Amino acid sequence: ETGVTQTPRHLVMGMTNKKSLKCEQHLGHNAMYWYKQSAKKPLELMFVYNFKEQTENNSVPSRFSPECPNSSHLFLHLHTLQPEDSALYLCASSQSGTSGGKNIQYFGAGTRLSVL
Amino acid sequence: AQKITQTQPGMFVQEKEAVTLDCTYDTSDQSYGLFWYKQPSSGEMIFLIYQGSYDEQNATEGRYSLNFQKARKSANLVISASQLGDSAMYFCAMREDQFTGANSKLTFGKGITLSVRP
Repeated sequence: ETGVTQTPRHLVMGMTNKKSLKCEQHLGHNAMYWYKQSAKKPLELMFVYNFKEQTENNSVPSRFSPECPNSSHLFLHLHTLQPEDSALYLCASSQSGTSGGKNIQYFGAGTRLSVL
Repeated sequence: AQKITQTQPGMFVQEKEAVTLDCTYDTSDQSYGLFWYKQPSSGEMIFLIYQGSYDEQNATEGRYSLNFQKARKSANLVISASQLGDSAMYFCAMREDQFTGANSKLTFGKGITLSVRP
């Protein structure tokens, strides 16, 4: 248990559905991240939030909409997804911006998403 | 731009033996951090070890050690006394700016599959 919890663990949705992924961290960190992991590809950073402010959007399609209401919670709202969006979605958190800090990212167990 | 290369095919090791997983990187930055993560079949990415580019000694964490060769731009992970639970995917990653930690972006390699044989 790393202190980063993701729900649900598995999700199957149709292309017209709307669903949300949730991430919660209990580590007191100030930064949270969404990554996409597709088969046989490196992890792709999607979004970064520092102190609830989005600081990185890695050219992610608008059908993915992040929300960060506070430093402990991060959501990824999904709508009108495509089959190629099927992947493992990982959330991470870290303590960012401290002098000399390693800024280690700690990950959740991920949500395995299948889009039919 | 930063790049991480992990080219080994699936690796196999006998239980209780040591194994080295290779990682080379490319960057024009002088200050950067290198990470190794483990991903079992359950999906969770587990942090293993960190090496800063200006750290004078190679990092060690229990059975994990990092063979950091800065001139060769390599950061190989050494796992000693392999256990069955070490069977997983292993990812090397890099972040620029070792010291301030302000830049959060990690660049990952494609990963290496390790299988430990009883």
